[in-house]
Amino acid sequence: EAGVAQSPRYKIIEKRQSVAFWCNPISGHATLYWYQQILGQGPKLLIQFQNNGVVDDSQLPKDRFSAERLKGVDSTLKIQPAKLEDSAVYLCASSVGYEQYFGPGTRLTVT
Amino acid sequence: QKEVEQDPGPLSVPEGAIVSLNCTYSNSAFQYFMWYRQYSRKGPELLMYTYSSGNKEDGRFTAQVDKSSKYISLFIRDSQPSDSATYLCAMSKLTGGGNKLTFGTGTQLKVEL
Repeated sequence: EAGVAQSPRYKIIEKRQSVAFWCNPISGHATLYWYQQILGQGPKLLIQFQNNGVVDDSQLPKDRFSAERLKGVDSTLKIQPAKLEDSAVYLCASSVGYEQYFGPGTRLTVT
Repeated sequence: QKEVEQDPGPLSVPEGAIVSLNCTYSNSAFQYFMWYRQYSRKGPELLMYTYSSGNKEDGRFTAQVDKSSKYISLFIRDSQPSDSATYLCAMSKLTGGGNKLTFGTGTQLKVEL
């Protein structure tokens, strides 16, 4: 069974630029999550989708972050404009039941 | 105060040692408890999953949950160099709409030859 796919794996941008991350969940997983993991910390949930509807986006900085999940499968997370403090690994996960499976993440560096 | 507290380590042990990793939490609504292993530059990988209190064993790994003390543990027996990674505890509440995980900061473990 293929795992959660994410791209790109690495991205370096300057502050105030925009960036987008892509995620393809495990086939058949209706729930998709985006997490932010800052160096030395555990992942923090940004947004959770159930099919293509948002379940929880309470910790998403909506002035600069946006996410969508088209047709209930792939998802895109966008940051515009980026700030230095957005430097982190962005993890996508999908689940069936209570077990979440994570992708390899996208490491973002904002200079 | 953070909802989930975890000693970041690093923890260094010799090969073959028994490793004990722990987390405490403050929110009594947490019902599901997980341990994830994260290798450098990889995503977290689910190791163990426990509902409510009790013990669960899987090979060299044992997870314990003590809800009365709000304390969870992961034991690794006969530790191997391949166990060197960061171990993250995570927990969630029973919710109708999904499974929001709250993570600890992770404990970095190194098993030395």
